Amino acid sequence: DAKTTQPPSMDCAEGRAANLPCNHSTISGNEYVYWYRQIHSQGPQYIIHGLKNNETNEMASLIITEDRKSSTLILPHATLRDTAVYYCIVRVPEHSGGYQKVTFGIGTKLQVIP
Amino acid sequence: IAGITQAPTSQILAAGRRMTLRCTQDMRHNAMYWYRQDLGLGLRLIHYSNTAGTTGKGEVPDGYSVSRANTDDFPLTLASAVPSQTSVYFCASSDRSSGTDTQYFGPGTRLTVL
Repeated sequence: DAKTTQPPSMDCAEGRAANLPCNHSTISGNEYVYWYRQIHSQGPQYIIHGLKNNETNEMASLIITEDRKSSTLILPHATLRDTAVYYCIVRVPEHSGGYQKVTFGIGTKLQVIP
Repeated sequence: IAGITQAPTSQILAAGRRMTLRCTQDMRHNAMYWYRQDLGLGLRLIHYSNTAGTTGKGEVPDGYSVSRANTDDFPLTLASAVPSQTSVYFCASSDRSSGTDTQYFGPGTRLTVL
């Protein structure tokens, strides 16, 4: 799996958009970009994923650059409950007889400030 | 829809005792996984199951066993617990027949072995 680089921490004012960057300059053509978050003492929560097109769901938007070497997760109106560690990972979905584990890096600790 | 449930939420266990962590999903996902999360080591895959009736070893399988008698349940057993198995355990599931094999995680079991 390609390596990702994220800033270790960010602050965001409550109600404002939180823009979390991720660099994945060695991403290969068949690797997807996934975002998860982990709120303290809870299980990792899937947020969104994409291959090359921008994606939006009820939680967030994912913007992937045209060369796919970086992406940005956007939480449009951050709330205090969005305070968490956010993980960007890139991986190829496994469809053969093997397995595909999820490997989290250090992630970005997002602190939403009242 | 509950998603993935795990039981117990937390447990303190004497070394040498046998313990089974339970995991149930109601999403009819074919694949299930057990991870442990330790500070500084991230998520590590213990065992996985690509479909009911099959299981496989992950990165750190020693001291653990699993079974997959049906689609919904994937219990993890510690035959004789040791203090190094103190950790937070997460169960996950995914639909390997989908295009992206996204893994969804349970809330976790915090296990302390004394």
